[in-house]
Amino acid sequence: EVQLVESGGGLVQPGGSLRLSCAASGFTVSSNSMSWVRQAPGKGLEWVSVIYSGGVTYYADSVKGRFTISRDNSKNTLYLQMNSLRAEDTAVYYCARGICSTSCSNFDYWGQGTLVTVSS
Amino acid sequence: DIQMTQSPSSLSASVGDRVTITCRASQSISNYLNWYQQKPGKAPKLLIYAASSLQSGVPSRFSGSGSGTDFTLTISSLQPEDFATYYCQQSYSIPPVTFGQGTRLEIK
Repeated sequence: EVQLVESGGGLVQPGGSLRLSCAASGFTVSSNSMSWVRQAPGKGLEWVSVIYSGGVTYYADSVKGRFTISRDNSKNTLYLQMNSLRAEDTAVYYCARGICSTSCSNFDYWGQGTLVTVSS
Repeated sequence: DIQMTQSPSSLSASVGDRVTITCRASQSISNYLNWYQQKPGKAPKLLIYAASSLQSGVPSRFSGSGSGTDFTLTISSLQPEDFATYYCQQSYSIPPVTFGQGTRLEIK
Protein backbone atom coordinates (compact mmCIF):
# COMPACT_ATOMS: atom_id res chain seq x y z
CA GLU A 1 0.00 0.00 0.00
CA VAL A 2 1.32 3.41 -0.95
CA GLN A 3 1.71 5.80 1.98
CA LEU A 4 3.27 9.21 2.47
CA VAL A 5 3.81 10.54 5.99
CA GLU A 6 5.02 14.11 6.51
CA SER A 7 6.71 15.45 9.62
CA GLY A 8 8.76 18.41 10.74
CA GLY A 9 6.22 21.20 10.76
CA GLY A 10 5.80 23.62 13.63
CA LEU A 11 6.05 27.20 14.79
CA VAL A 12 9.08 29.17 13.65
CA GLN A 13 10.03 32.84 13.81
CA PRO A 14 10.40 34.93 10.65
CA GLY A 15 13.84 34.38 9.20
CA GLY A 16 14.09 30.93 10.73
CA SER A 17 14.49 27.49 9.18
CA LEU A 18 12.66 24.17 9.17
CA ARG A 19 13.17 20.85 7.43
CA LEU A 20 10.13 18.88 6.40
CA SER A 21 10.30 15.13 5.83
CA CYS A 22 8.03 12.85 3.82
CA ALA A 23 8.55 9.16 4.49
CA ALA A 24 7.27 6.95 1.69
CA SER A 25 6.26 3.30 1.71
CA GLY A 26 4.87 1.01 -0.94
CA PHE A 27 6.92 2.54 -3.75
CA THR A 28 10.39 3.94 -4.43
CA VAL A 29 10.75 7.71 -4.11
CA SER A 30 13.78 7.88 -6.41
CA SER A 31 11.84 6.21 -9.26
CA ASN A 32 9.09 8.80 -9.22
CA SER A 33 8.47 12.50 -9.57
CA MET A 34 7.83 13.94 -6.08
CA SER A 35 6.43 17.37 -5.30
CA TRP A 36 5.63 19.61 -2.36
CA VAL A 37 2.33 21.48 -2.50
CA ARG A 38 1.17 23.94 0.15
CA GLN A 39 -2.12 25.41 1.25
CA ALA A 40 -2.33 28.59 3.30
CA PRO A 41 -5.14 28.67 5.87
CA GLY A 42 -8.48 28.99 4.08
CA LYS A 43 -6.79 29.29 0.68
CA GLY A 44 -6.21 27.17 -2.40
CA LEU A 45 -3.41 24.86 -3.45
CA GLU A 46 0.02 26.19 -4.43
CA TRP A 47 2.74 24.04 -5.96
CA VAL A 48 6.12 24.60 -4.27
CA SER A 49 8.76 22.28 -5.71
CA VAL A 50 9.43 19.07 -7.62
CA ILE A 51 12.27 16.57 -7.85
CA TYR A 52 12.19 14.25 -10.84
CA SER A 53 13.46 10.69 -10.88
CA GLY A 54 16.62 11.86 -12.63
CA GLY A 55 17.30 14.34 -9.85
CA VAL A 56 16.32 17.54 -11.67
CA THR A 57 14.61 20.05 -9.38
CA TYR A 58 12.36 23.04 -9.90
CA TYR A 59 10.87 25.64 -7.56
CA ALA A 60 8.04 28.14 -7.51
CA ASP A 61 9.30 31.71 -7.85
CA SER A 62 7.95 32.47 -4.37
CA VAL A 63 10.42 30.06 -2.72
CA LYS A 64 13.33 29.99 -5.16
CA GLY A 65 16.63 30.57 -3.40
CA ARG A 66 15.12 29.87 0.03
CA PHE A 67 13.79 26.29 -0.19
CA THR A 68 15.64 23.14 -1.25
CA ILE A 69 14.04 19.84 -2.19
CA SER A 70 16.03 16.64 -1.81
CA ARG A 71 15.65 12.93 -1.18
CA ASP A 72 17.46 10.17 0.69
CA ASN A 73 17.20 7.02 -1.37
CA SER A 74 18.39 4.81 1.49
CA LYS A 75 15.54 6.08 3.68
CA ASN A 76 13.01 6.38 0.85
CA THR A 77 12.30 9.87 2.14
CA LEU A 78 11.68 13.25 0.54
CA TYR A 79 12.75 16.49 2.22
CA LEU A 80 12.07 20.19 1.98
CA GLN A 81 14.64 22.46 3.62
CA MET A 82 13.05 25.84 4.23
CA ASN A 83 15.25 28.83 5.07
CA SER A 84 14.57 32.54 5.51
CA LEU A 85 10.96 31.80 6.33
CA ARG A 86 8.35 34.51 5.97
CA ALA A 87 4.85 34.95 7.36
CA GLU A 88 3.45 34.20 3.90
CA ASP A 89 5.03 30.72 4.02
CA THR A 90 2.51 29.77 6.72
CA ALA A 91 0.59 26.81 5.31
CA VAL A 92 -0.08 23.11 5.44
CA TYR A 93 2.62 21.44 3.36
CA TYR A 94 1.80 18.25 1.49
CA CYS A 95 4.14 15.90 -0.30
CA ALA A 96 2.66 14.23 -3.37
CA ARG A 97 3.69 11.56 -5.84
CA GLY A 98 3.45 12.44 -9.49
CA ILE A 99 2.36 9.73 -11.89
CA CYS A 100 3.25 9.98 -15.55
CA SER A 101 0.44 10.26 -18.07
CA THR A 102 0.34 13.42 -20.13
CA SER A 103 3.15 14.63 -17.87
CA CYS A 104 4.63 13.42 -14.60
CA SER A 105 2.77 16.01 -12.53
CA ASN A 106 -0.48 14.18 -11.93
CA PHE A 107 -0.58 13.76 -8.16
CA ASP A 108 -2.10 10.40 -7.29
CA TYR A 109 -0.96 10.01 -3.68
CA TRP A 110 -0.67 12.73 -1.06
CA GLY A 111 0.53 12.80 2.52
CA GLN A 112 -1.68 13.98 5.37
CA GLY A 113 0.06 17.36 5.50
CA THR A 114 2.19 19.14 8.11
CA LEU A 115 1.44 22.65 9.34
CA VAL A 116 4.15 25.30 9.22
CA THR A 117 3.43 28.52 11.09
CA VAL A 118 5.79 31.46 10.69
CA SER A 119 5.15 34.01 13.41
CA SER A 120 6.95 35.98 16.09
CA ASP B 1 2.73 31.03 -16.01
CA ILE B 2 -0.57 29.50 -17.09
CA GLN B 3 -3.52 30.82 -15.10
CA MET B 4 -6.41 28.50 -14.31
CA THR B 5 -9.85 30.00 -13.61
CA GLN B 6 -12.71 27.95 -12.20
CA SER B 7 -16.37 28.81 -12.21
CA PRO B 8 -18.39 29.06 -10.18
CA SER B 9 -16.36 29.72 -7.02
CA SER B 10 -19.14 28.18 -4.97
CA LEU B 11 -22.21 26.17 -5.74
CA SER B 12 -25.20 24.92 -3.78
CA ALA B 13 -26.86 21.71 -4.92
CA SER B 14 -28.99 18.86 -3.63
CA VAL B 15 -28.39 15.14 -3.42
CA GLY B 16 -29.24 13.61 -6.79
CA ASP B 17 -28.51 16.79 -8.78
CA ARG B 18 -26.29 16.87 -11.85
CA VAL B 19 -23.48 19.36 -11.32
CA THR B 20 -20.94 20.84 -13.71
CA ILE B 21 -17.81 22.80 -12.77
CA THR B 22 -15.83 24.67 -15.39
CA CYS B 23 -12.11 25.35 -15.62
CA ARG B 24 -10.52 27.69 -18.17
CA ALA B 25 -6.81 27.95 -18.94
CA SER B 26 -5.14 31.18 -19.97
CA GLN B 27 -3.62 29.39 -22.97
CA SER B 28 -4.04 26.04 -24.64
CA ILE B 29 -2.99 23.10 -22.49
CA SER B 30 -4.13 20.27 -24.79
CA ASN B 31 -5.54 17.65 -22.37
CA TYR B 32 -3.00 18.24 -19.58
CA LEU B 33 -5.72 18.84 -17.03
CA ASN B 34 -6.44 17.11 -13.73
CA TRP B 35 -9.29 17.40 -11.22
CA TYR B 36 -9.02 16.94 -7.45
CA GLN B 37 -11.51 16.72 -4.61
CA GLN B 38 -10.60 18.03 -1.17
CA LYS B 39 -12.60 17.64 2.02
CA PRO B 40 -11.98 19.82 5.09
CA GLY B 41 -8.80 18.87 6.94
CA LYS B 42 -7.87 16.26 4.35
CA ALA B 43 -5.41 16.03 1.48
CA PRO B 44 -6.64 16.44 -2.09
CA LYS B 45 -7.69 13.32 -3.97
CA LEU B 46 -7.09 12.82 -7.68
CA LEU B 47 -10.38 12.23 -9.52
CA ILE B 48 -9.66 12.78 -13.21
CA TYR B 49 -6.36 12.99 -15.10
CA ALA B 50 -5.60 13.84 -18.72
CA ALA B 51 -8.90 15.74 -18.82
CA SER B 52 -11.16 12.70 -19.07
CA SER B 53 -9.49 9.62 -17.58
CA LEU B 54 -11.06 8.37 -14.37
CA GLN B 55 -8.55 7.62 -11.63
CA SER B 56 -8.72 4.08 -10.28
CA GLY B 57 -11.28 3.70 -7.51
CA VAL B 58 -13.19 6.89 -8.32
CA PRO B 59 -16.95 6.40 -8.83
CA SER B 60 -18.21 6.54 -12.40
CA ARG B 61 -20.60 9.40 -11.58
CA PHE B 62 -17.54 11.65 -11.96
CA SER B 63 -16.51 12.53 -15.51
CA GLY B 64 -14.30 15.08 -17.20
CA SER B 65 -14.20 16.58 -20.66
CA GLY B 66 -12.55 19.28 -22.70
CA SER B 67 -9.31 20.16 -24.41
CA GLY B 68 -7.40 23.28 -25.32
CA THR B 69 -8.55 25.95 -22.88
CA ASP B 70 -11.99 24.85 -21.66
CA PHE B 71 -12.70 21.91 -19.40
CA THR B 72 -15.57 20.58 -17.31
CA LEU B 73 -15.99 18.25 -14.37
CA THR B 74 -19.44 16.69 -14.14
CA ILE B 75 -20.99 14.78 -11.26
CA SER B 76 -23.98 12.97 -12.69
CA SER B 77 -25.92 12.40 -9.47
CA LEU B 78 -24.62 14.07 -6.33
CA GLN B 79 -24.10 11.89 -3.29
CA PRO B 80 -23.72 13.17 0.28
CA GLU B 81 -20.00 12.38 0.28
CA ASP B 82 -19.43 14.58 -2.80
CA PHE B 83 -19.83 17.86 -0.93
CA ALA B 84 -16.29 19.21 -0.94
CA THR B 85 -14.00 21.66 -2.74
CA TYR B 86 -12.85 20.81 -6.25
CA TYR B 87 -9.66 22.02 -7.93
CA CYS B 88 -8.43 21.82 -11.49
CA GLN B 89 -4.69 21.68 -12.22
CA GLN B 90 -2.67 22.04 -15.40
CA SER B 91 0.49 20.04 -16.05
CA TYR B 92 1.21 21.28 -19.57
CA SER B 93 3.64 24.12 -19.03
CA ILE B 94 5.75 23.24 -16.02
CA PRO B 95 7.20 24.51 -13.91
CA PRO B 96 5.12 25.73 -12.38
CA VAL B 97 2.19 23.41 -11.99
CA THR B 98 -0.81 25.69 -11.42
CA PHE B 99 -4.18 25.10 -9.80
CA GLY B 100 -7.52 26.79 -10.15
CA GLN B 101 -8.80 28.73 -7.17
CA GLY B 102 -11.26 26.00 -6.23
CA THR B 103 -15.01 25.47 -6.36
CA ARG B 104 -16.78 24.86 -3.09
CA LEU B 105 -19.76 22.53 -3.49
CA GLU B 106 -22.27 22.91 -0.66
CA ILE B 107 -25.52 21.24 0.29
CA LYS B 108 -28.63 23.22 -0.63
